[in-house]
Amino acid sequence: EPEVTQTPSHQVTQMGQEVILRCVPISNHLYFYWYRQILGQKVEFLVSFYNNEISEKSEIFDDQFSVERPDGSNFTLKIRSTKLEDSAMYFCASRLGLATDTQYFGPGTRLTVL
Amino acid sequence: DAKTTQPNSMESNEEEPVHLPCNHSTISGTDYIHWYRQLPSQGPEYVIHGLTSNVNNRMASLAIAEDRKSSTLILHRATLRDAAVYYCILRAPPQFQGAQKLVFGQGTRLTINP
Repeated sequence: EPEVTQTPSHQVTQMGQEVILRCVPISNHLYFYWYRQILGQKVEFLVSFYNNEISEKSEIFDDQFSVERPDGSNFTLKIRSTKLEDSAMYFCASRLGLATDTQYFGPGTRLTVL
Repeated sequence: DAKTTQPNSMESNEEEPVHLPCNHSTISGTDYIHWYRQLPSQGPEYVIHGLTSNVNNRMASLAIAEDRKSSTLILHRATLRDAAVYYCILRAPPQFQGAQKLVFGQGTRLTINP
């Protein structure tokens, strides 16, 4: 069964450094999402992406964050200058198309900012 | 998304049925009822969804009240692997909501005793 994959599974970085989290959505899906979950808290929406542009973003998704679909398969989340409070699990999700509403999530990347 | 209310936690025994309730008294006539779950240290996973009629799939059943103000996710024979946080989420019809994000509440933490 096709699945969303994410790399790396765990990323440790120093405060102020840039990180890129990578996702490979399910191949024929058209909608892509990033969510995050701080330890012990709810899953929170960050951004949605469709047709090579951001369709919605949350207040969390400020100028330090960016997303890109550099080729036909990858979907990346970049944090330019990480802060301690960016430490969280980051989940990528994809959705087939307009007629279906199921989002398929990846296993997540645990980001630890020291 | 309209608001849903779920118990914070529930406990059941292995191989027994589990009924997870969700109240959604402000549901609109076109909102679908979706259930996702999050197993420990994993991303959220789609379980089931429905509009008016009860629904069954290989994972679970969804019983929807006649007035649609509440629903119940039914796991017919719980296993240890079903221990997770279960989220009830209302969604506008997919063709009317574009790339709309999923809004997660706190969900119900289900514990399964051996």
